[in-house]
Amino acid sequence: AQTVTQSQPEMSVQEAETVTLSCTYDTSENNYYLFWYKQPPSRQMILVIRQEAYKQQNATENRFSVNFQKAAKSFSLKISDSQLGDTAMYFCAFTPGDAGNNRKLIWGLGTSLAVNP
Amino acid sequence: EAGVTQFPSHSVIEKGQTVTLRCDPISGHDNLYWYRRVMGKEIKFLLHFVKESKQDESGMPNNRFLAERTGGTYSTLKVQPAELEDSGVYFCASSRDAGLPRQYFGPGTRLTVL
Repeated sequence: AQTVTQSQPEMSVQEAETVTLSCTYDTSENNYYLFWYKQPPSRQMILVIRQEAYKQQNATENRFSVNFQKAAKSFSLKISDSQLGDTAMYFCAFTPGDAGNNRKLIWGLGTSLAVNP
Repeated sequence: EAGVTQFPSHSVIEKGQTVTLRCDPISGHDNLYWYRRVMGKEIKFLLHFVKESKQDESGMPNNRFLAERTGGTYSTLKVQPAELEDSGVYFCASSRDAGLPRQYFGPGTRLTVL
């Protein structure tokens, strides 16, 4: 079975500091996609960053970067220079790469991140 | 470009009643997904439409749930009769091409069954 595990239910960080959210997953697939989604208190789910498993280079989007360790099946998210607007629930998600035309997502439980002023 | 919209944002109903949730995907997006998050648990996939056809409904909990997407535009998810365990947040997402692994999400509908 394909699973995604987020072991940190809650985290907090001071504004301007760096925080890392962890995610591990389990799959027998060789090709797949990993995502971090963010859901602020307003509830709209937003894609933060995406990683393709066949790419060795870690994805980066401005202050957000990932540490993708394929052998260890680990996909952590690093937020640099944390801002108050980063306060949100963060979800790690996975979809198989060879799923044909069905891209259903498999999700972790989420990590609630609070950025403190 | 308008985003994915869902209606209502919140619904409170009694056990045994019927509720219909609606999702309007981004215009031109053929793929539409429904997910559900029950409190304390992971978000779970319910089903996937490609235009008006159900591509995968393996995540639908039981036959009290009926999803439709007439004309390949908006979708409805009806729960009849609702049970207490149906409470949760129902998310809808759409994508233009299923080959592109990016889904755009609506704000969700919070369903409370009393």
